[in-house]
Amino acid sequence: AQSVSQHNHHVILSEAASLELGCNYSYGGTVNLFWYVQYPGQHLQLLLKYFSGDPLVKGIKGFEAEFIKSKFSFNLRKPSVQWSDTAEYFCAVRFWGDKIIFGKGTRLHILP
Amino acid sequence: DVKVTQSSRYLVKRTGEKVFLECVQDMDHENMFWYRQDPGLGLRLIYFSYDVKMKEKGDIPEGYSVSREKKERFSLILESASTNQTSMYLCASSLGQVAPIRPQHFGDGTRLSIL
Repeated sequence: AQSVSQHNHHVILSEAASLELGCNYSYGGTVNLFWYVQYPGQHLQLLLKYFSGDPLVKGIKGFEAEFIKSKFSFNLRKPSVQWSDTAEYFCAVRFWGDKIIFGKGTRLHILP
Repeated sequence: DVKVTQSSRYLVKRTGEKVFLECVQDMDHENMFWYRQDPGLGLRLIYFSYDVKMKEKGDIPEGYSVSREKKERFSLILESASTNQTSMYLCASSLGQVAPIRPQHFGDGTRLSIL
């Protein structure tokens, strides 16, 4: 069965540290990939998405993600985090049809 | 901007009650989804619908049903609420099967407590 794995459940960083959140998926065919963010008390928002083309995708707020097909990975990165990046981050993968599977989420806490 | 509206932000119901959660979107999206969000488990898909009167089971449909009589409205029904259905429920919508696939837009969520 298709699955999406996020390796880190909780991440704590200091401001200005670099961030990389891992996301792997189980299926080897064509996929569409997403990262969503949920700030405290707010609804889920789309950070970035990959459909095809350049595997390095730029999103909002300085985030980027790289699709590595051979590793079935779509890791989220940011070179220098801010306190306002404290949130929960979800990786999501569309395997077929319109069904999208979400990872379990990673809680990111940035220390001021 | 796409607006997905869930009828209640907070809801408290009793065990055994029939519970209706309503979701309305205003952008003529074909697809609508119901998820529940629990700590440590992320988002889990309950049901989704790709057209009026069409529905598909997600990963955890047991104890739930859905209704899509109109394109803009997708209802989640707990036939006989149980305490293990206490959770945050999220509704989402997206454009249909077009290339490239469109991302989902989420409502603010309904925090449901079953006593």
